[in-house]
Amino acid sequence: DVKVTQSSRYLVKRTGEKVFLECVQDMDHENMFWYRQDPGLGLRLIYFSYDVKMKEKGDIPEGYSVSREKKERFSLILESASTNQTSMYLCASSSTGTGDLGANVLTFGAGSRLTVL
Amino acid sequence: GQNIDQPTEMTATEGAIVQINCTYQTSGFNGLFWYQQHAGEAPTFLSYNVLDGLEEKGRFSSFLSRSKGYSYLLLKELQMKDSASYLCAAMDSNYQLIWGAGTKLIIKP
Repeated sequence: DVKVTQSSRYLVKRTGEKVFLECVQDMDHENMFWYRQDPGLGLRLIYFSYDVKMKEKGDIPEGYSVSREKKERFSLILESASTNQTSMYLCASSSTGTGDLGANVLTFGAGSRLTVL
Repeated sequence: GQNIDQPTEMTATEGAIVQINCTYQTSGFNGLFWYQQHAGEAPTFLSYNVLDGLEEKGRFSSFLSRSKGYSYLLLKELQMKDSASYLCAAMDSNYQLIWGAGTKLIIKP
């Protein structure tokens, strides 16, 4: 069963702490994404990556950074956590392509719920 | 600007039919996705439309009108397990997804 695994389901951190959220996929997908999901808002894209060591800013990159040293792993880093970063974080992956439906379908991880106190 | 609108919440009865609407405005268009998300779980893919018309997949169907910027998800023979949020997302000319806030569907016995 193919999947996207997020290392932590629930985290509680203090303001100013550095936070690492890990995501691993076993589908050999080229593309990986980090979203945050907040009540009443659509999914918002933080960062994405189309290849190893490559990263692109999404819609809300401020306060976040990412790392993709291996194809299967995409890490989200909060350098100094703040209370407004309390949220559900979703990692997703997809294969590359433009005309092929399967290429654009996202497979999501179960999410990491982060609370910053 | 780009945006997606869908109702916040809908209620339906077990065994009935429900239609969840979604309107979109995007810069270019490369398809419309529907995902299902049960509480506390990951979104999972339901359907994709890029051409006008109805796509049927078991109890679920999805419709697209590109000229109207409109889609709907039709759920038939509702079951309690269909209680979930349904997320609409449109893909723009850069193949980026624009997401709606989701429609929470409550099924009553």
